[in-house]
Amino acid sequence: GQNIDQPTEMTATEGAIVQINCTYQTSGFNGLFWYQQHAGEAPTFLSYNVLDGLEEKGRFSSFLSRSKGYSYLLLKELQMKDSASYLCAVMDSNYQLIWGAGTKLIIKP
Amino acid sequence: GAVVSQHPSRVICKSGTSVKIECRSLDFQATTMFWYRQFPKQSLMLMATSNEGSKATYEQGVEKDKFLINHASLTLSTLTVTSAHPEDSSFYICSARGGLEYEQYFGPGTRLTVT
Repeated sequence: GQNIDQPTEMTATEGAIVQINCTYQTSGFNGLFWYQQHAGEAPTFLSYNVLDGLEEKGRFSSFLSRSKGYSYLLLKELQMKDSASYLCAVMDSNYQLIWGAGTKLIIKP
Repeated sequence: GAVVSQHPSRVICKSGTSVKIECRSLDFQATTMFWYRQFPKQSLMLMATSNEGSKATYEQGVEKDKFLINHASLTLSTLTVTSAHPEDSSFYICSARGGLEYEQYFGPGTRLTVT
């Protein structure tokens, strides 16, 4: 079956760095997405990786290793507004998104 | 960037009534639209995928006669929850994808409460 695993909850301190991991097993692979979702709102796109390596976008970076079925989202210089759920999703061979359960990130002052 | 709107943003209805939710792509043509449901503290659950002009493909466990989906144009899809019950209360989110693009653009969601 298809499976996306990510930690349920993480806590970090304002100004610090946090890494949210995601492992996956899917039928085919057409890319991995990271989305941010604040409570009561729809998800917003953060990143897309289809090739191995690190993609950097400002304070956020995303890494992919296809051979290991592994990705991480790295958030630097954490701000209170980064408190949200972070969703990992993999696009399978049918171009359907398979969603992880999300990681709730709590930022403390 | 691409914009997707949803209407209404919040709706309260009585048990047994039907509710229609609209999803529009405002500045691009959405060949595929997706409908998700999200219960509190849970992840998105895909309900169905619809391609313009054809019948929607429903995920296992989703009743197609209860959740009617219409994707009549490249910019509009509707989800009608028929004979709503309190257990249908949830956050319904649509997303849209255009052409060969890989990214799904999400609408802001509709909070449905059935009393």
